[in-house]
Amino acid sequence: SQQGEEDPQALSIQEGENATMNCSYKTSINNLQWYRQNSGRGLVHLILIRSNEREKHSGRLRVTLDTSKKSSSLLITASRAADTASYFCATDPQRGSEKLVFGKGTKLTVNP
Amino acid sequence: DAGITQSPRHKVTETGTPVTLRCHQTENHRYMYWYRQDPGHGLRLIHYSYGVKDTDKGEVSDGYSVSRSKTEDFLLTLESATSSQTSVYFCAGRRPGSPINEQFFGPGTRLTVL
Repeated sequence: SQQGEEDPQALSIQEGENATMNCSYKTSINNLQWYRQNSGRGLVHLILIRSNEREKHSGRLRVTLDTSKKSSSLLITASRAADTASYFCATDPQRGSEKLVFGKGTKLTVNP
Repeated sequence: DAGITQSPRHKVTETGTPVTLRCHQTENHRYMYWYRQDPGHGLRLIHYSYGVKDTDKGEVSDGYSVSRSKTEDFLLTLESATSSQTSVYFCAGRRPGSPINEQFFGPGTRLTVL
């Protein structure tokens, strides 16, 4: 069964606005990752946050993690048309696990 | 695509035929993965490998088999293709030498089973 569930399923914004996507999961995790997928391409790793971290930044990306609520959010600031893609969270559910569990994704459209 | 290639990139086949998809990597990934991606389901793990000749099942392994005879190549076989196996298939490798399971993906194979 899917561990991560992203919300919303689709998001459409104007260039320059911020985009926020949320991910909820069900069991304890070691870390949570966010991936991006451009249309017709494979996924690309964006950022990882460990279970003992609450917030992490990378360029225009900000990720938060609330382990008490089993949720994470990905914020993209000052969005650009090139940010148009699908975004997936992936959880590493247990120490030593070789498997990631991916959510269903949020499709982001940034209109110029 | 981080040194991972997949072939073919597109394939149309008929129900009941066997199909083999190939994943080739040049980054010395020890762990490799096959996923399928379907609308409404996201990515689901089919099989994975943790070394040459070492493989294990994922979430949706029925109707699929894999083989890994050398580090570079990870093959996914649909023993007798069905229309429900129409999907986009992705191969991925895990970052070598890291305790973090960060994965690198190939470009995908779009398979249509008629």
